Amino acid sequence: EVQLVESGGGLVQPGGSLRLSCAASRFTFSTYAMSWVRQAPGKGLEWVSAISGGAGSTHYADSVKGRFTISRDNSNYTLFLQMNSLRAEDTAVYYCAKHFGGVPTNMDVWGQGTTVTVSS
Amino acid sequence: AIQMTQSPSSLSASVGDRVTITCRASQGIRNDLGWYQQKPGKAPKLLISAASSLQSGVPSTFSGSGSGTDFTLTISSLQPEDFATYYCLQDYTSPLTFGGGTKVEIK
Repeated sequence: EVQLVESGGGLVQPGGSLRLSCAASRFTFSTYAMSWVRQAPGKGLEWVSAISGGAGSTHYADSVKGRFTISRDNSNYTLFLQMNSLRAEDTAVYYCAKHFGGVPTNMDVWGQGTTVTVSS
Repeated sequence: AIQMTQSPSSLSASVGDRVTITCRASQGIRNDLGWYQQKPGKAPKLLISAASSLQSGVPSTFSGSGSGTDFTLTISSLQPEDFATYYCLQDYTSPLTFGGGTKVEIK
């Protein structure tokens, strides 16, 4: 069964940094675009960032542009999200998700999520 | 960014009811729209892609329609396991944008 497992969440102070990872298994990772989607407590879903299968193209929500960087290691089947200059409003559960194809379309497989809390 | 306006934000319904949720895009998005179901504490699950294509394993009581700017998710006969929050997502262009969600509650 296709699987995504996030890690790296935790408590960080405002202005701090955190790096999330998403380990993929049981599919040809490099073929598919991947995204990060977040959900603040009690709120709806917000798409954060996407990267194409070959990593040649990245996309960001305006709310994180310039602060977050998405990347991937296709050899090790891992997706990353480097989060810098964190703010209280970045507090959320962060999900990684696999797209249907090599470019960002709808997402057919999701991880279980990792929680990021930004607080002093 | 394309805005996705979803309505209603919540609804109460009984088992067996027909339920309709709508999503309106701020500009035309062809049929580049998906519908997701999310239960408390769980990751979202893709139900429908390309506005009307039912994902494998999703009950046929779910259906989607629409193109351009107006889209609909219909549950023809609500089952106990369908009580959840539903979201639309446009994948026409970046940034991808979700609707605000519709919480379907038991009446």
